[in-house]
This record gives sequence, C-alpha cells and structure tokens, in this order.
Amino acid sequence: GQQLNQSPQSMFIQEGEDVSMNCTSSSIFNTWLWYKQEPGEGPVLLIALYKAGELTSNGRLTAQFGITRKDSFLNISASIPSDVGIYFCAGHPSGNTGKLIFGQGTTLQVKP
Amino acid sequence: DSGVTQTPKHLITATGQRVTLRCSPRSGDLSVYWYQQSLDQGLQFLIQYYNGEERAKGNILERFSAQQFPDLHSELNLSSLELGDSALYFCASSVWTGATDTQYFGPGTRLTVL
Repeated sequence: GQQLNQSPQSMFIQEGEDVSMNCTSSSIFNTWLWYKQEPGEGPVLLIALYKAGELTSNGRLTAQFGITRKDSFLNISASIPSDVGIYFCAGHPSGNTGKLIFGQGTTLQVKP
Repeated sequence: DSGVTQTPKHLITATGQRVTLRCSPRSGDLSVYWYQQSLDQGLQFLIQYYNGEERAKGNILERFSAQQFPDLHSELNLSSLELGDSALYFCASSVWTGATDTQYFGPGTRLTVL
C-alpha cells in the first residue's frame, strides 16, 4: 500500500542548530502536511502545503512541497528546547478522500 | 487547543469487552476521521465520515465500527477487544474541501486492554 518514508528517524541536536527532515513517497500526493506531536497529546498541525513547488513558512519553520509531488521537507531554524517532540509528515494520496497517510515520524531532542 | 474534543482521555478494559469512544469536531467541520496510533504501526487511518455518511475506509477491523450523528459528533465502537487493540485513538475533523483538506486532531483516547 501507499506509504511515506520519513527521515531521519531521530535527531539529537544542540540548541540553536538548524534541523532538516524529509518525506518521500513512491506515488503522487495531492497535499503535504507537517504535524508535531508531544507526549500524551494529539498531532498539532504546523504547516499545510497544497501545490507542487509551494514553499511555506510558519515562524522558524519552513516546508516545501516537492515539484514531483512525491516529496516534502521541513526545516526548523535556530532550534530551541520547546521544539522537542515527534514530527510527522502526512499526505493525501491521489483520489478524492480524506485519508491521510503518515510517515513514521522524526523524534527531535534539543540539548540546551 | 485544536477545537476537537475526545472522551474519555483514558480507558482501561479487559479482553472481550466492548467500548465506545466519542469525538466532537471543531465548530463548522462536517468531516470526522478516526486514526489508530500504536508503537509498531504508527498513525493509521481507520475511517472517515462526512455529514453523517461514511466517506472512506482504511484498515479498520470488522470488530470496529463508527458512526456520525446529526449533530456531527462521532463515535467509534470497538468490540471483542484483544490485547493488540491497545493504542491511542485519535479523532480529527475538517471542513472537507476535497483533496486539499486540512485535518485538525483531538487529544486522543488511550485504550489499554488487559
């Protein structure tokens, strides 16, 4: 079935460093979404991307919808301790349903 | 706060039992989605309802069923529970605009089957 390959699986970085993570798929996706999940909470939407090539920022976060519609990346600049959490990419595969496919997640730890 | 509410927050039950999870979508959202999150499977789509009608189905077991009521809240019913059903169950909602839809997630229900 359709799946998203998200990498890296985990990151341990120093406060102030920039972070980059990405998602790839073997099939085309219509939408790419990036979520952050903290322990015991539901995923929180960070950025939504709707068009191939689209580049969108939300504060220190920047994400892009790949031109081939098969990949997306998320960058976090100048990381801070509260960036700690699990980041998920998700996308709507082609077809007119609300089904979201999720990547496996990237666990981010930030050392003060 | 996403505006999506789920109850209960935690649920502990025994194998073979049946439970009902409840979700209230954000004000104005017509579509509700259910997802299961387990350690080995990640976040998996179960089912989507739109304005009371089933819209899409994922890998939902036959022991599981859902419905969306006229006031748009939704319930996920899990029966003949097994140990492997222990997981976080999330509800999400959206306006539903087709392929560019954006889903907002509730805080989840943690189900533990003993």
